[in-house]
Amino acid sequence: NAGVTQTPKFRVLKTGQSMTLLCAQDMNHEYMYWYRQDPGMGLRLIHYSVGEGTTAKGEVPDGYNVSRLKKQNFLLGLESAAPSQTSVYFCASSYSTRAYEQYFGPGTRLTVT
Amino acid sequence: AQKVTQAQTEISVVEKEDVTLDCVYETRDTTYYLFWYKQPPSGELVFLIRRNSFDEQNEISGRYSWNFQKSTSSFNFTITASQVVDSAVYFCALRLLHSGGGADGLTFGKGTHLIIQP
Repeated sequence: NAGVTQTPKFRVLKTGQSMTLLCAQDMNHEYMYWYRQDPGMGLRLIHYSVGEGTTAKGEVPDGYNVSRLKKQNFLLGLESAAPSQTSVYFCASSYSTRAYEQYFGPGTRLTVT
Repeated sequence: AQKVTQAQTEISVVEKEDVTLDCVYETRDTTYYLFWYKQPPSGELVFLIRRNSFDEQNEISGRYSWNFQKSTSSFNFTITASQVVDSAVYFCALRLLHSGGGADGLTFGKGTHLIIQP
């Protein structure tokens, strides 16, 4: 039982390049989330999904797109990376009620130069 | 909108001291959940505790204890007899039971960096 995994762990992009971050969970969770963590800012929600085929915007969605084609996977895309998107990205998943804690992946450290 | 404040940016204590991390939250909702997460130097986020707004009982788990006071909108975390392995960034977070406006994740505080010196 791997829990929540993220690919890749590290990535360096040049401004304007695109990339996709992959999150996978094997806990059969309905809900999945993408957060970004910046120094001194805590974690902020980018997008989330309450089930396969559904996505919604969080607190800081601009510049990102997501897709949830399969229940176990949640993809985060950057179409045209900007230096402001340099951050650590965390994926999380949870059961389908707000009462439950979220389980986090190990994070992806992204640098945009 | 809801908000979580962790006023202590960094705390440094000597091993075996007790230390309390403060968390104050703001919400107009009456039903919500509060969480604490630990982020050790390795970077992952580790769930520590969940508390719902109707349960004001304090909780103790080994050297960890949590004090939830609805009257002051606080959910403080105390480590007794701290150890070097407790060094980490600790986050307090809030989640509403009924959220409108689309934001369905956790609202995090900015974290408290706890340093336990040997």
